[in-house]
Amino acid sequence: GAGVSQSPSNKVTEKGKDVELRCDPISGHTALYWYRQSLGQGLEFLIYFQGNSAPDKSGLPSDRFSAERTGGSVSTLTIQRTQQEDSAVYLCASSLSRQGGDYGYTFGSGTRLTVV
Amino acid sequence: GENVEQHPSTLSVQEGDSAVIKCTYSDSASNYFPWYKQELGKRPQLIIDIRSNVGEKKDQRIAVTLNKTAKHFSLHITETQPEDSAVYFCAARRHQAGTALIFGKGTTLSVSS
Repeated sequence: GAGVSQSPSNKVTEKGKDVELRCDPISGHTALYWYRQSLGQGLEFLIYFQGNSAPDKSGLPSDRFSAERTGGSVSTLTIQRTQQEDSAVYLCASSLSRQGGDYGYTFGSGTRLTVV
Repeated sequence: GENVEQHPSTLSVQEGDSAVIKCTYSDSASNYFPWYKQELGKRPQLIIDIRSNVGEKKDQRIAVTLNKTAKHFSLHITETQPEDSAVYFCAARRHQAGTALIFGKGTTLSVSS
């Protein structure tokens, strides 16, 4: 597509429920990233997918968080048993990525998650 | 892993003044340093980046400087305008495929006319 698409744009969920957030990257971008943006906390790295390689999960805050990327394209971030501290904007980004190259990220518009 | 510190967290300037935002990083292997601008309610967008083989890069009113010895880099905006008001994020990453950008916590820049 023309840009990185995220859905839903807003999600309100009850504490303890599971949620799924979707990211559709730019066609041809092999790298996909998930970040969390909380007020005053900047952009917190969560997980990174690169082609068919094993994802870098080092930023996931707990085992309630997981993500997958099917067919090297669309990614889903799942949060199980949501807690109020999970409330944030979840941003997805994609980029070209080749050895020896640095390419800027294109961010999606994010999913604003509110846990009540 | 990498850790990026960014200062100040807020910055207010008068239109026409210069603004400087500074970042430090911890991983001496990092050698790619982009800056992103996020306007209110919008997604972050890349405005300039620098690689460690250069000390300074300029693009019209914005410039970035890098001091690898001290492990810090700075964003300089000259002749600020109200439309420069936004949150600015610095980031750092090792120069190789397979690692993600680590961002600072952001600087909220307000330019008053």
